[in-house]
Amino acid sequence: QLQLQESGPGLVKPSETLSLTCTVSGGAISSSSYYWGWIRQPPGKGLEWIGSMHYSGSTYYNPSLKSRVTMSVDTSNNHLSLKLSPVTAADTAVYYCARQTTFYYCMDVWGKGTTVTVSS
Amino acid sequence: EIVLTQSPGTLSLSPGERATLSCRASQSVSSTYLAWYQQKPGQAPRLLIYGASSRATGIPDRFSGSGSGTDFTLTISRLEPEDFAVYYCQHYGSSLWTFGQGTRVEIK
Repeated sequence: QLQLQESGPGLVKPSETLSLTCTVSGGAISSSSYYWGWIRQPPGKGLEWIGSMHYSGSTYYNPSLKSRVTMSVDTSNNHLSLKLSPVTAADTAVYYCARQTTFYYCMDVWGKGTTVTVSS
Repeated sequence: EIVLTQSPGTLSLSPGERATLSCRASQSVSSTYLAWYQQKPGQAPRLLIYGASSRATGIPDRFSGSGSGTDFTLTISRLEPEDFAVYYCQHYGSSLWTFGQGTRVEIK
């Protein structure tokens, strides 16, 4: 059974870099059938797509975040990574990673999420 | 960029009642790329419906999706206690994924 687990610092200072990792278990991140994405949810608010990446290198970012986001895939360790820089308090959120199918382009498997607070 | 507008913002219903949730796109979209998710407090979203009308694995048949063009609907035929949650629609197009703002279904 495929599982996704987000990890990273729970507290990041303003103007610094938020770095998160999503570990995929029970399946290969190098499957051609899926994209792997990041989605976030500020406290009390809705879902915001951050970006998605295929193991082949195709990468798509939310235009509103594009200038600050970098995603990468480590196929040898089955990891997906997210870097967001520089951060502000508005980046405080629960960050989820999710698997996205390449036909229907929906998010069919989600991690449990990790909370990141931006504060000095 | 397509904007998804969900209505109503909050739906107050009793268990056993029918829930009808709307998702309207700012321009015509492909139903193939329209999905619905359920999110309960403190949990990650869960895929309910993909391709506008296909239920995801393990989703009860009281959940159904319909629609085309700019108007899509999620229907819960008879609300069970565990169905009170927030529901989001989501669309993919032009290499962008977009979510609606959500509809909260609360116990009346």
